[in-house]
Amino acid sequence: GENVEQHPSTLSVQEGDSAVIKCTYSDSASNYFPWYKQELGKRPQLIIDIRSNVGEKKDQRIAVTLNKTAKHFSLHITETQPEDSAVYFCAASMDTGRRALTFGSGTRLQVQP
Amino acid sequence: NAGVTQTPKFQVLKTGQSMTLQCAQDMNHNSMYWYRQDPGMGLRLIYYSASEGTTDKGEVPNGYNVSRLNKREFSLRLESAAPSQTSVYFCASTLTGRETQYFGPGTRLLVL
Repeated sequence: GENVEQHPSTLSVQEGDSAVIKCTYSDSASNYFPWYKQELGKRPQLIIDIRSNVGEKKDQRIAVTLNKTAKHFSLHITETQPEDSAVYFCAASMDTGRRALTFGSGTRLQVQP
Repeated sequence: NAGVTQTPKFQVLKTGQSMTLQCAQDMNHNSMYWYRQDPGMGLRLIYYSASEGTTDKGEVPNGYNVSRLNKREFSLRLESAAPSQTSVYFCASTLTGRETQYFGPGTRLLVL
């Protein structure tokens, strides 16, 4: 089955800096890659997603890039703010079969004011 | 429109006790999922239901059973709880399995 690895496990940045979180996946059939943000004690919430027919997607301060050949995708947050502090999860799924998400292990991002 | 709801929010069980976690969605979604989240780990799929009347095992199904009662409701049952099942359980749904998954608020389960 699919395996998703996520790095780093923790990331501390100064307010205003950029943060980058990287994920790799194992199954070349995966074609949907969402990123979720989870605040302490709350449910995961989708912040951005990308499909395999697109190399990059941007939404204000957040962007995701996908390299299908290398089977990795990354989350980029620019101009970080204290409210960006949370755990971020990447995930992968495919259009056939289970269509359920396989999650990475998460990155705890702390933005220092 | 409540989205995905889960009950209970928190539960304490003794080893060997049974319980059912309830999940309901009002978005007319076909696919529903149960995940568990352990500290320092991502969410792992327990069971899923691609449509009403069908259920399939995920990565970690041992010790659990599910019922897709109707299109709205998908329950998770622990027949004989074990301390290893202490976790936060999330239910999720999506229209056909190809779109954004919407998560419920979670159920925190402690098995003593």
